[in-house]
Amino acid sequence: DVKVTQSSRYLVKRTGEKVFLECVQDMDHENMFWYRQDPGLGLRLIYFSYDVKMKEKGDIPEGYSVSREKKERFSLILESASTNQTSMYLCASSGQIGEQFFGPGTRLTVL
Amino acid sequence: GENVEQHPSTLSVQEGDSAVIKCTYSDSASNYFPWYKQELGKRPQLIIDIRSNVGEKKDQRIAVTLNKTAKHFSLHITETQPEDSAVYFCAASEVNTGFQKLVFGTGTRLLVSP
Repeated sequence: DVKVTQSSRYLVKRTGEKVFLECVQDMDHENMFWYRQDPGLGLRLIYFSYDVKMKEKGDIPEGYSVSREKKERFSLILESASTNQTSMYLCASSGQIGEQFFGPGTRLTVL
Repeated sequence: GENVEQHPSTLSVQEGDSAVIKCTYSDSASNYFPWYKQELGKRPQLIIDIRSNVGEKKDQRIAVTLNKTAKHFSLHITETQPEDSAVYFCAASEVNTGFQKLVFGTGTRLLVSP
C-alpha cells in the first residue's frame, strides 16, 4: 500500500510566521505535488517536483516555496503566513504516469 | 494552459438512480483523464481513469466516456448507493512529457438519499 503522510493534520499559526508543511511518501515516486483545497475552487496546484532538488511552479505559487532534498520528502514553506493562506493543504505523489496518491491533508488556520 | 470546467457543482439523487457528472477541457494535447472521489474528511482517491485512445471505460457501476472532438468527458454512476455520497473531481493532463501535471475541475458534491 502506498503511504503518503503529512506532518500535521491541523495547524494554527499567526500572521507573519514562517510555516513548514512536510510530506513523506514511501513508494519511491519521482513526482510530488502540493495542492490547496478551498470550497468551490477544487484542488489547485501550488508547486510540484519531478526529481530531487527540482521544482516547478504550479498555478498559484505566490507566497509559497518548496524544498525537495530527498526523493521521499517534499516540503511546502510559507515564508510569511497571511490570513488568505488559511486552507486545506494536500500533498500527493505519483510515478511517471498514472495515479496520484494523496496524503491526509493539513488544515492550516492563519490568525 | 489547461482549464477544466465541471458541472454540476451539486447533485442530489435518490438511491438506485443514475448520476452523471460532466467536464470539459481546453487543451487538445491532454490525453489522460482521471476521476477522484473524496469522502467527507478523507483524502481524494482515484476511482477510474481514461486515456485518449479509448472512448469509454467501465468498472462495475461506474463508467467514464470521452469525446475528444468536443473536448468533454463524463462520469456515470449507475444504481447509486448512499456510500457514493462524496465530492467527485475530474482532471485532465498531458502525459507525453514524462511526468504528469493534473488540472482539476472544481468538484461535484453528490448526495444519494436512501
